[in-house]
Amino acid sequence: EAQVTQNPRYLITVTGKKLTVTCSQNMNHEYMSWYRQDPGLGLRQIYYSMNVEVTDKGDVPEGYKVSRKEKRNFPLILESPSPNQTSLYFCASSSRIGQGVDGYTFGSGTRLTVV
Amino acid sequence: AQSVTQLGSHVSVSEGALVLLRCNYSSSVPPYLFWYVQYPNQGLQLLLKYTSAATLVKGINGFEAEFKKSETSFHLTKPSAHMSDAAEYFCAVSEYNFNKFYFGSGTKLNVKP
Repeated sequence: EAQVTQNPRYLITVTGKKLTVTCSQNMNHEYMSWYRQDPGLGLRQIYYSMNVEVTDKGDVPEGYKVSRKEKRNFPLILESPSPNQTSLYFCASSSRIGQGVDGYTFGSGTRLTVV
Repeated sequence: AQSVTQLGSHVSVSEGALVLLRCNYSSSVPPYLFWYVQYPNQGLQLLLKYTSAATLVKGINGFEAEFKKSETSFHLTKPSAHMSDAAEYFCAVSEYNFNKFYFGSGTKLNVKP
């Protein structure tokens, strides 16, 4: 089954304790992205990657890191989490369409709480 | 930068009534356009997409959307609402020859019995 797998689904952590949210896709997609979803703010892009070793900042990259060492994996790293990073996080992947990005396939989400 | 406007953060319809969710985009170049649905505690699922072929696009679950270049709109419709359609709906835009994907702020659809 074609899918994007995120782990964990739920995570509660303390301020300053480094964490990684994993994301893996099995569709051989070039394009992967991380979003956070907050009430009233919709989805905001954190980072995206056009291909292996190619990453770029989205609209809200502060406090986050990513890496793309393999095509299928795109982990999200919070080096020193803070309470304002409490949110629902989605990983998504896509293939190219023409000169743009085709529709995303989304993971099921990770609900992160930083206390 | 592109912007996507969804009019109405909450829309309520009766079961069996027409569903109309509005989406307008700002690009002067026709982009690729998408509608997603998010059910509670789930990720987003692609409903339909417009990629410069037919302007009337049919999607899953009886939804369709029409691309109107003159109005820069891509409104989502369904002739007859079902209780299972209650969810949040997001319009999104991908610009041609660009690597960004923009989401609207979402519209929560409530379906009354």
